[in-house]
Amino acid sequence: DGGITQSPKYLFRKEGQNVTLSCEQNLNHDAMYWYRQDPGQGLRLIYYSQIVNDFQKGDIAEGYSVSREKKESFPLTVTSAQKNPTAFYLCASRLGGKNTEAFFGQGTRLTVV
Amino acid sequence: GQQVMQIPQYQHVQEGEDFTTYCNSSTTLSNIQWYKQRPGGHPVFLIQLVKSGEVKKQKRLTFQFGEAKKNSSLHITATQTTDVGTYFCAGVNDFNKFYFGSGTKLNVKP
Repeated sequence: DGGITQSPKYLFRKEGQNVTLSCEQNLNHDAMYWYRQDPGQGLRLIYYSQIVNDFQKGDIAEGYSVSREKKESFPLTVTSAQKNPTAFYLCASRLGGKNTEAFFGQGTRLTVV
Repeated sequence: GQQVMQIPQYQHVQEGEDFTTYCNSSTTLSNIQWYKQRPGGHPVFLIQLVKSGEVKKQKRLTFQFGEAKKNSSLHITATQTTDVGTYFCAGVNDFNKFYFGSGTKLNVKP
């Protein structure tokens, strides 16, 4: 089945630890995105990548890092510098052209204790 | 920077009532897309509007794109409990940057 997969669904970490969230797609999409969603809130863009080996900061990139070494993979690392990391993280991909829709993964709910 | 604002933030309606959410961009958009996120789920694509003044319908849902390509609306006629969720608009600008609106959370009372 083609799609976009995020793992794990739930993640618990201790404060001060870095954690990496996985996002894999087999849709052959060029563009990939990471969003953060807080309870009752909208989607805030963390990082995005329009092509392999290139990525740009979104609106709330501080405390996060990404890599795009392969077309199908766009992992997000939440570093200890992120002050309020507990949130729902959504990964999305698009074919890349302007008139293409986004496909979302199921999301990862990160809780830092 | 680019902003896509949505109003209202929340809407509570009685089943059978109509519902409308509005989306406004600070700059001209290449297109506007609408997504629905069910409680506990992830956003799912509903529709895309590309042309100035475009209107599209999906059963009880009507989508409009403004003449200036800076605003859009989603109208649901005679809401049902299955319409519950958060509705997001998403704008694509000329540089292919993809922005989501803040979302409107719809609650429908049976």
